[in-house]
Amino acid sequence: DIQMTQSPSSLSADIGDRVTITCRASQSIRNYLNWYQQKPGEAPKLLIYVTSRLQSGVPSRFSGTGSGTDFTLTISSLHPEDFALYYCQQSFNTPRTFGQGTKVEI
Amino acid sequence: QLQLQESGSGLVKPSQTLSVTCAVSGGSIDSGGYSWNWIRQPPGGGLEWIGYIFHTGSTYYNPSLQSRVTISLDKSTNHCTLRLNSVTAADTAVYYCAREVVAAAGDWFDAWGQGTLVTVSS
Repeated sequence: DIQMTQSPSSLSADIGDRVTITCRASQSIRNYLNWYQQKPGEAPKLLIYVTSRLQSGVPSRFSGTGSGTDFTLTISSLHPEDFALYYCQQSFNTPRTFGQGTKVEI
Repeated sequence: QLQLQESGSGLVKPSQTLSVTCAVSGGSIDSGGYSWNWIRQPPGGGLEWIGYIFHTGSTYYNPSLQSRVTISLDKSTNHCTLRLNSVTAADTAVYYCAREVVAAAGDWFDAWGQGTLVTVSS
């Protein structure tokens, strides 16, 4: 299985801050990397797919970069509704695997 | 608008079989270009992919659960069902169904149900 490791596990930030979350794969996954946001009591929501493609309806302050084994999710200016858990997920092969999550809190 | 709605056993005794059904509306499970997935999340934990099924009936399961899992489709009712046998407390989780887009550029989970909590306890 491909192991996905996110860092940090949690971070504290303020409204308006620029936030970067890193995801590292245990082997190259080319650009088959997706990001999800999860709020308490809700299902995960797709933010970015195939490394950098913004899902319809997702604000442009979210962006993704990377390739191979190292990827980042950036929120350019944190809004109150962005405080949540963020997961990366690889779709290079099966079994699909997720990072352990990064909690963004105030 | 595609909607996925899970319904499940709720409370299951150890060693018994967990069954969760996903009702799909606003789209057909018999469409190509997608797989239908089950993903679970234990309380306070991360996401674990269980497996998927294509409209052809082809399945793939996580090797960690393969011996206990069955995923099936009922095209007449547009439902997808997960069965997990010989459950233990470690199978207590919120179970999500999710549609995965299968595309040349890559694959991603673009639609999720709201999830259903299944608790394994005597």
